[in-house]
Amino acid sequence: DAGVTQSPTHLIKTRGQQVTLRCSPKSGHDTVSWYQQALGQGPQFIFQYYEEEERQRGNFPDRFSGHQFPNYSSELNVNALLLGDSALYLCASSPRGAGWDTEAFFGQGTRLTVV
Amino acid sequence: GENVEQHPSTLSVQEGDSAVIKCTYSDSASNYFPWYKQELGKRPQLIIDIRSNVGEKKDQRIAVTLNKTAKHFSLHITETQPEDSAVYFCAAIKRPGNQFYFGTGTSLTVIP
Repeated sequence: DAGVTQSPTHLIKTRGQQVTLRCSPKSGHDTVSWYQQALGQGPQFIFQYYEEEERQRGNFPDRFSGHQFPNYSSELNVNALLLGDSALYLCASSPRGAGWDTEAFFGQGTRLTVV
Repeated sequence: GENVEQHPSTLSVQEGDSAVIKCTYSDSASNYFPWYKQELGKRPQLIIDIRSNVGEKKDQRIAVTLNKTAKHFSLHITETQPEDSAVYFCAAIKRPGNQFYFGTGTSLTVIP
């Protein structure tokens, strides 16, 4: 089991462009959450998907959108990139019925640099 | 929503000494508190967690304590080793549910 995989690992984009990041959850997990981790900061919750719908959303603008596919993989899209969007984007997966002691597994992240 | 504060932001200890990292949370409904270790360039990994109905949990050199009344919880690492050097994040979650609220992290350096 490869765990949570994210692609690409690194990405450089120009301000104003659009970017798509991808995440494949751990086998057996159907819930995917996305986080933005700025340098020196803790991960900030962007949104969560299960059953192919956005279920919860953090304090991020509409420029951040996502999608979940029937195989539970997910995409994070960011439009009109700003310099401040430069960060490590982490994906975490967990089972839908997250009861007690259900661990969320993180991918290694995508390092996005906006220039 | 939940607000998690974490202190200190940086911590240096001599090898063999203990390290303590503290977090406070604001939402009394939060009931699950994991700690993650993130080494440079790697993913956050769970090292220990505690439920709100437990006051303390220990796993070898690592322990976590929770004070529900005061809404704070702490990570204790004893007999620190150089490989403990990393950034540590606390988090608070309302279970069932998967939205993690993370602290801002503590960069721990263990000096050999």
